[in-house]
Amino acid sequence: QVQLQESGPGLVKPSDTLSLNCTVSGYSISTGYYWGWIRRPPGKGLEWIGSVHHSGGTYYNPSLESRVSMSIDASKNQFSLKLTSVTAADTALYYCARERRDFDYWGRGTLVTVS
Amino acid sequence: DIQMTQSPSTLSASVGDRVTITCRASQSIGYWLAWYQVKPGIAPKLLINKASSLESGVPSRFSGSGSGTEFTLTISSLQPDDFATYFCQQYNSNLWTFGQGTKVEIK
Repeated sequence: QVQLQESGPGLVKPSDTLSLNCTVSGYSISTGYYWGWIRRPPGKGLEWIGSVHHSGGTYYNPSLESRVSMSIDASKNQFSLKLTSVTAADTALYYCARERRDFDYWGRGTLVTVS
Repeated sequence: DIQMTQSPSTLSASVGDRVTITCRASQSIGYWLAWYQVKPGIAPKLLINKASSLESGVPSRFSGSGSGTEFTLTISSLQPDDFATYFCQQYNSNLWTFGQGTKVEIK
Protein backbone atom coordinates (compact mmCIF):
# COMPACT_ATOMS: atom_id res chain seq x y z
CA GLN A 1 0.00 0.00 0.00
CA VAL A 2 1.41 3.36 -1.05
CA GLN A 3 1.60 5.83 1.82
CA LEU A 4 2.79 9.44 1.93
CA GLN A 5 3.74 11.53 4.95
CA GLU A 6 4.41 15.26 4.97
CA SER A 7 6.95 16.76 7.37
CA GLY A 8 8.33 20.19 8.11
CA PRO A 9 7.95 23.26 10.30
CA GLY A 10 4.42 24.22 11.25
CA LEU A 11 5.30 27.89 11.66
CA VAL A 12 7.19 30.06 9.20
CA LYS A 13 7.93 33.78 9.46
CA PRO A 14 6.81 36.19 6.75
CA SER A 15 9.39 36.61 3.97
CA ASP A 16 11.09 33.31 4.93
CA THR A 17 11.16 30.08 2.93
CA LEU A 18 8.67 27.30 3.56
CA SER A 19 10.29 23.85 3.25
CA LEU A 20 8.41 20.57 3.35
CA ASN A 21 9.33 16.98 2.69
CA CYS A 22 7.14 14.08 1.68
CA THR A 23 8.30 10.58 2.53
CA VAL A 24 6.83 7.79 0.44
CA SER A 25 6.50 4.19 1.55
CA GLY A 26 5.21 1.18 -0.34
CA TYR A 27 6.53 2.46 -3.68
CA SER A 28 9.92 3.53 -4.99
CA ILE A 29 9.52 7.06 -6.34
CA SER A 30 12.40 6.55 -8.78
CA THR A 31 10.28 3.94 -10.56
CA GLY A 32 7.77 6.33 -12.05
CA TYR A 33 4.98 8.91 -11.78
CA TYR A 34 4.91 12.57 -10.99
CA TRP A 35 4.74 13.58 -7.33
CA GLY A 36 2.76 16.66 -6.43
CA TRP A 37 1.97 19.25 -3.80
CA ILE A 38 -1.50 20.64 -3.21
CA ARG A 39 -2.61 23.10 -0.54
CA ARG A 40 -5.83 24.21 1.07
CA PRO A 41 -5.94 27.62 2.74
CA PRO A 42 -8.33 27.90 5.70
CA GLY A 43 -11.92 28.10 4.51
CA LYS A 44 -10.94 27.74 0.85
CA GLY A 45 -10.63 25.08 -1.79
CA LEU A 46 -7.70 23.04 -3.07
CA GLU A 47 -4.89 24.59 -5.10
CA TRP A 48 -2.35 22.55 -7.06
CA ILE A 49 1.14 23.96 -6.39
CA GLY A 50 3.23 21.84 -8.74
CA SER A 51 4.66 18.41 -9.46
CA VAL A 52 8.05 16.77 -9.85
CA HIS A 53 8.73 13.82 -12.12
CA HIS A 54 10.60 10.77 -10.88
CA SER A 55 13.41 11.81 -13.24
CA GLY A 56 13.56 15.28 -11.66
CA GLY A 57 11.61 17.32 -14.19
CA THR A 58 9.14 19.81 -12.72
CA TYR A 59 6.12 21.86 -13.64
CA TYR A 60 4.45 24.43 -11.48
CA ASN A 61 1.26 26.43 -11.14
CA PRO A 62 2.05 29.69 -12.98
CA SER A 63 0.57 31.69 -10.09
CA LEU A 64 3.33 30.37 -7.80
CA GLU A 65 6.08 29.51 -10.27
CA SER A 66 8.36 32.42 -9.37
CA ARG A 67 8.53 31.26 -5.73
CA VAL A 68 8.36 27.45 -5.98
CA SER A 69 10.93 24.74 -6.39
CA MET A 70 10.57 20.98 -6.04
CA SER A 71 13.04 18.14 -6.06
CA ILE A 72 13.38 14.40 -5.62
CA ASP A 73 15.72 12.53 -3.28
CA ALA A 74 15.49 8.95 -4.46
CA SER A 75 17.93 7.72 -1.81
CA LYS A 76 15.46 8.71 0.90
CA ASN A 77 12.38 7.99 -1.21
CA GLN A 78 11.36 11.59 -0.58
CA PHE A 79 10.40 14.64 -2.56
CA SER A 80 10.40 18.20 -1.34
CA LEU A 81 8.78 21.60 -1.72
CA LYS A 82 10.32 25.02 -1.20
CA LEU A 83 8.25 28.18 -1.33
CA THR A 84 10.11 31.45 -0.93
CA SER A 85 9.05 34.88 0.33
CA VAL A 86 5.98 33.56 2.12
CA THR A 87 3.15 35.76 3.35
CA ALA A 88 0.03 35.12 5.41
CA ALA A 89 -1.69 34.10 2.18
CA ASP A 90 0.51 31.00 2.12
CA THR A 91 -0.98 29.75 5.39
CA ALA A 92 -2.59 26.45 4.46
CA LEU A 93 -2.85 22.72 4.93
CA TYR A 94 -0.21 21.31 2.58
CA TYR A 95 -0.69 17.87 1.05
CA CYS A 96 1.68 15.73 -0.97
CA ALA A 97 0.27 13.22 -3.43
CA ARG A 98 1.16 10.82 -6.22
CA GLU A 99 0.12 12.28 -9.54
CA ARG A 100 -1.05 10.47 -12.61
CA ARG A 101 -2.83 13.67 -13.76
CA ASP A 102 -5.37 12.93 -11.07
CA PHE A 103 -3.97 12.22 -7.61
CA ASP A 104 -4.44 8.65 -6.43
CA TYR A 105 -2.53 8.58 -3.14
CA TRP A 106 -2.29 11.47 -0.68
CA GLY A 107 -0.72 12.26 2.64
CA ARG A 108 -2.79 13.46 5.57
CA GLY A 109 -1.52 16.99 5.18
CA THR A 110 0.52 19.29 7.37
CA LEU A 111 -0.62 22.71 8.54
CA VAL A 112 1.79 25.54 7.87
CA THR A 113 1.10 28.91 9.44
CA VAL A 114 2.90 32.04 8.28
CA SER A 115 3.16 34.43 11.21
CA ASP B 1 -6.89 28.65 -16.44
CA ILE B 2 -9.88 26.35 -16.50
CA GLN B 3 -12.21 27.36 -13.69
CA MET B 4 -14.19 24.66 -11.91
CA THR B 5 -17.45 25.65 -10.20
CA GLN B 6 -19.14 23.29 -7.80
CA SER B 7 -22.68 23.50 -6.49
CA PRO B 8 -23.98 23.56 -3.92
CA SER B 9 -21.22 24.73 -1.58
CA THR B 10 -23.00 23.09 1.36
CA LEU B 11 -25.56 20.33 1.34
CA SER B 12 -27.57 19.10 4.34
CA ALA B 13 -28.81 15.54 4.04
CA SER B 14 -29.85 12.52 6.06
CA VAL B 15 -28.57 8.97 6.07
CA GLY B 16 -30.22 7.12 3.20
CA ASP B 17 -30.71 10.23 1.05
CA ARG B 18 -29.69 10.38 -2.59
CA VAL B 19 -27.18 13.21 -3.00
CA THR B 20 -26.01 14.91 -6.19
CA ILE B 21 -23.14 17.37 -6.50
CA THR B 22 -22.50 19.31 -9.71
CA CYS B 23 -19.20 20.51 -11.13
CA ARG B 24 -19.02 22.83 -14.14
CA ALA B 25 -15.92 23.62 -16.14
CA SER B 26 -15.32 27.00 -17.78
CA GLN B 27 -14.41 25.20 -21.02
CA SER B 28 -14.69 21.67 -22.31
CA ILE B 29 -12.46 19.17 -20.53
CA GLY B 30 -13.74 16.03 -22.23
CA TYR B 31 -14.01 13.43 -19.50
CA TRP B 32 -10.81 14.42 -17.70
CA LEU B 33 -12.40 14.91 -14.31
CA ALA B 34 -11.79 13.38 -10.89
CA TRP B 35 -13.76 13.46 -7.64
CA TYR B 36 -12.23 13.39 -4.16
CA GLN B 37 -13.53 12.94 -0.63
CA VAL B 38 -11.74 15.03 2.01
CA LYS B 39 -12.07 14.64 5.77
CA PRO B 40 -10.10 16.39 8.53
CA GLY B 41 -6.95 14.54 9.58
CA ILE B 42 -7.32 11.86 6.92
CA ALA B 43 -5.61 11.53 3.57
CA PRO B 44 -7.98 12.68 0.81
CA LYS B 45 -9.46 9.84 -1.17
CA LEU B 46 -9.77 9.61 -4.94
CA LEU B 47 -13.27 8.32 -5.65
CA ILE B 48 -13.73 8.62 -9.40
CA ASN B 49 -11.46 9.29 -12.37
CA LYS B 50 -12.24 9.97 -16.03
CA ALA B 51 -15.61 11.37 -14.93
CA SER B 52 -17.28 8.02 -14.28
CA SER B 53 -14.66 5.36 -13.49
CA LEU B 54 -14.88 4.19 -9.90
CA GLU B 55 -11.56 3.73 -8.15
CA SER B 56 -10.83 0.29 -6.74
CA GLY B 57 -12.32 -0.17 -3.28
CA VAL B 58 -14.76 2.73 -3.52
CA PRO B 59 -18.32 1.71 -2.62
CA SER B 60 -20.71 1.34 -5.54
CA ARG B 61 -23.10 3.89 -4.04
CA PHE B 62 -20.75 6.51 -5.50
CA SER B 63 -21.11 7.24 -9.19
CA GLY B 64 -19.98 9.94 -11.58
CA SER B 65 -21.30 11.13 -14.90
CA GLY B 66 -20.90 13.87 -17.46
CA SER B 67 -18.53 15.12 -20.11
CA GLY B 68 -17.52 18.38 -21.67
CA THR B 69 -18.38 21.06 -19.16
CA GLU B 70 -20.94 19.54 -16.80
CA PHE B 71 -20.36 16.69 -14.38
CA THR B 72 -22.12 15.15 -11.41
CA LEU B 73 -21.17 13.03 -8.44
CA THR B 74 -24.03 11.01 -7.01
CA ILE B 75 -24.20 9.13 -3.73
CA SER B 76 -27.18 6.82 -4.09
CA SER B 77 -27.79 6.23 -0.38
CA LEU B 78 -25.84 8.45 1.98
CA GLN B 79 -24.01 6.59 4.75
CA PRO B 80 -22.61 8.00 8.02
CA ASP B 81 -19.06 7.67 6.66
CA ASP B 82 -19.95 9.88 3.68
CA PHE B 83 -20.28 13.15 5.60
CA ALA B 84 -17.27 14.99 4.23
CA THR B 85 -16.21 17.62 1.72
CA TYR B 86 -16.08 16.66 -1.94
CA PHE B 87 -13.92 18.28 -4.61
CA CYS B 88 -13.79 17.91 -8.36
CA GLN B 89 -10.54 18.33 -10.30
CA GLN B 90 -9.96 18.79 -14.01
CA TYR B 91 -6.89 17.35 -15.64
CA ASN B 92 -7.43 18.32 -19.23
CA SER B 93 -4.84 21.07 -19.34
CA ASN B 94 -1.36 21.13 -17.81
CA LEU B 95 -2.62 23.34 -15.01
CA TRP B 96 -4.69 21.19 -12.68
CA THR B 97 -7.56 23.04 -11.01
CA PHE B 98 -10.09 22.05 -8.39
CA GLY B 99 -13.60 23.13 -7.55
CA GLN B 100 -14.15 25.06 -4.34
CA GLY B 101 -15.66 22.04 -2.60
CA THR B 102 -19.08 20.82 -1.44
CA LYS B 103 -19.52 20.09 2.23
CA VAL B 104 -22.06 17.35 2.92
CA GLU B 105 -23.47 17.89 6.40
CA ILE B 106 -25.83 15.93 8.60
CA LYS B 107 -29.37 17.31 8.40
